[in-house]
Amino acid sequence: DAKTTQPPSMDCAEGRAANLPCNHSTISGNEYVYWYRQIHSQGPQYIIHGLKNNETNEMASLIITEDRKSSTLILPHATLRDTAVYYCIVKITGTASKLTFGTGTRLQVTL
Amino acid sequence: EAEVAQSPRYKITEKSQAVAFWCDPISGHATLYWYRQILGQGPELLVQFQDESVVDDSQLPKDRFSAERLKGVDSTLKIQPAELGDSAMYLCASRQTGTQETQYFGPGTRLLVL
Repeated sequence: DAKTTQPPSMDCAEGRAANLPCNHSTISGNEYVYWYRQIHSQGPQYIIHGLKNNETNEMASLIITEDRKSSTLILPHATLRDTAVYYCIVKITGTASKLTFGTGTRLQVTL
Repeated sequence: EAEVAQSPRYKITEKSQAVAFWCDPISGHATLYWYRQILGQGPELLVQFQDESVVDDSQLPKDRFSAERLKGVDSTLKIQPAELGDSAMYLCASRQTGTQETQYFGPGTRLLVL
C-alpha cells in the first residue's frame, strides 16, 4: 500500500472549517483514500473514503486532486468534539486488505 | 447501532504473567483484525482472520502471542509471558466482506505490564 504524509499537528477555531491535507504521491490506480480519526483513548472511527471523485457525508468532505497525489479532509464547522488524531490511509480493497496507519495529524479545536 | 465489543477495557499485569483479551465483532462480519497501538503511534496490524482462518499473522510475535477465532465469531488474543514492551492499546476491528467495506473498531484494551 502507498505511503502517506500528513502534518503532525494543526489548530482550528471552533465553528471554522478544518482542512486536513494528505500527500500520497505514490498512490496506484486501484488504491482508495480512507480517513479515520481517533479521539483520545478510543478506537479509530471511520470518516470517509474515495477513489477519485470528491465525496461528502454527514461528517466531512473529501477532496482528491485530479492526479490523485494528494487529498484534503474538510470538517466544515469544527467543534471541540472534533479534537482527535486524523489518519489518512491509502489501500487496495479486497479480502486481504489491511489498514496501514501512519502517525496522523493531531487536530486541536479551540474556543 | 451495532458495535465491536472488547474486554477487559483495562488490564494491569506483571511481566512473565499471561494475559488474554476478548473481542466480539459486529454480527455478520466475517473479517476480524487485532491491532496493537503503542503510545504516540498509529495502530499496527497483529493478525487478521477471515471467518476462523488466519489470513495474515506476519507481524504477530508468535513466540509469545497467539490468537484464535474457533467458531468464526468472537476471538481471543493471548500473550504469554507478558513483557514490559507489550504495554500498549490492543484494538479489535471487524469488517463485512466486500470491496469497499470499512473497518469498525472496538474501544480497545489498554494493557500495562509492570
